Parts: sequence; structure tokens; C-alpha cells
Amino acid sequence: DVKVTQSSRYLVKRTGEKVFLECVQDMDHENMFWYRQDPGLGLRLIYFSYDVKMKEKGDIPEGYSVSREKKERFSLILESASTNQTSMYLCASSGLPGYNEQFFGPGTRLTVL
Amino acid sequence: GNSVTQMEGPVTLSEEAFLTINCTYTATGYPSLFWYVQYPGEGLQLLLKATKADDKGSNKGFEATYRKETTSFHLEKGSVQVSDSAVYFCALPYSGGYQKVTFGIGTKLQVIP
Repeated sequence: DVKVTQSSRYLVKRTGEKVFLECVQDMDHENMFWYRQDPGLGLRLIYFSYDVKMKEKGDIPEGYSVSREKKERFSLILESASTNQTSMYLCASSGLPGYNEQFFGPGTRLTVL
Repeated sequence: GNSVTQMEGPVTLSEEAFLTINCTYTATGYPSLFWYVQYPGEGLQLLLKATKADDKGSNKGFEATYRKETTSFHLEKGSVQVSDSAVYFCALPYSGGYQKVTFGIGTKLQVIP
């Protein structure tokens, strides 16, 4: 059974803290994604990685960075968390070639106080 | 760039009612089109897809037909069940965007017994 796992389902942090969200996939997929999901806005792409150590900004990268040191793991980093980063964060992965199905993790609900 | 438009809802239906969720798109060329579903507390999963004009995607009793004349990909089901309660996302690839996909805002469906 294919699996994308995220390190936490719920996370509460304080303004200014550095936050790490971890995502691991077991499908040997080349591509990994970080989205945030907000009511009325749907899913918005934060960052995308198409290979180890390779990354590309999505639509809303400001305030975020990412790390992909191993193929199966993709981390989202909030360098200094702010209240407007309170959201649901979803990780996904997909394989090559073409526009393939994305497999999603269950999400991390992050609250920044 | 490519984009999709769908109603946010919520859509509330009684069990066994007919469902239509509208999706219209703007795209360069004729990309694949997707419907994803998000059940409560879970990540998104692919429900169905269509890869070219006039294709019909189907899965779990849901259907959607790729209509280039009306640039639409409406989701339909003849008889909904309580277990279909979820958020439904229409999606299509970014124009020239490798594996990236742009999602609609999501339509919440609530089916009552």
C-alpha cells in the first residue's frame, strides 16, 4: 500500500519559532510537493522538488524554505513562524513521466499563537 | 496560466439524490483533467481523470466528461451515499509545469440520511 506520511497531525507553535514539517514517501517517487490548504482558497503550492537537492518555488513561497537531502524525505521549514501561517499543510508525491497522480499525506494542522 | 473554477459550497443533499459539481477550466492546449476527493481527516486522493477531449472518467459511481466546447469537467453521481460526504477538488496541470497541478478551491458535499 502506497504511503505518504507526515510527522505530526497537529502542531502548536509560538510566533517566531522555527518549525519543521517532515514528509516521507515510500513509493520511490521523484517529485514531492508542499501545499497549504485554507478555507475559500483551496490548495496552494508552496514548494516543489523534482529530485534530491532540487527545488522550485510554488505560488506562495514567502516565509518558507524546503530541504530534500534524500529522495524519500521532503521537509518544509518555517524560519520564523507567524500567525498568518496557521493552516493545514499537505505533502504529496508523484512519479514520472507526465502529469501523474499525486499521492497525499494526511496533513498537519499547524497553529501559530 | 491554467486555472479551474468551481463552487465552494457546501452542497447538502439527501441520500440517493443526484449530484452535480460544476468545474470549468482555462487552459493552454488540452491538458488532462482530474477530480480529487478529500474525506474528513485525510489527504486528497485521485477520484478520476480524463486525458483528452470527450473522454469520460469514472470511479466509485462518479463520472465526469471532458468537454472542450464548454471548457467544463463537471462531476456527477446518480445516487449519493452518506459515505460520499467529502470535499471535491477539480484540478489540471500547470501550463508547461512538469508535474505541478493547480487545484480548484474545493466543493464540500454533505449527504444526510
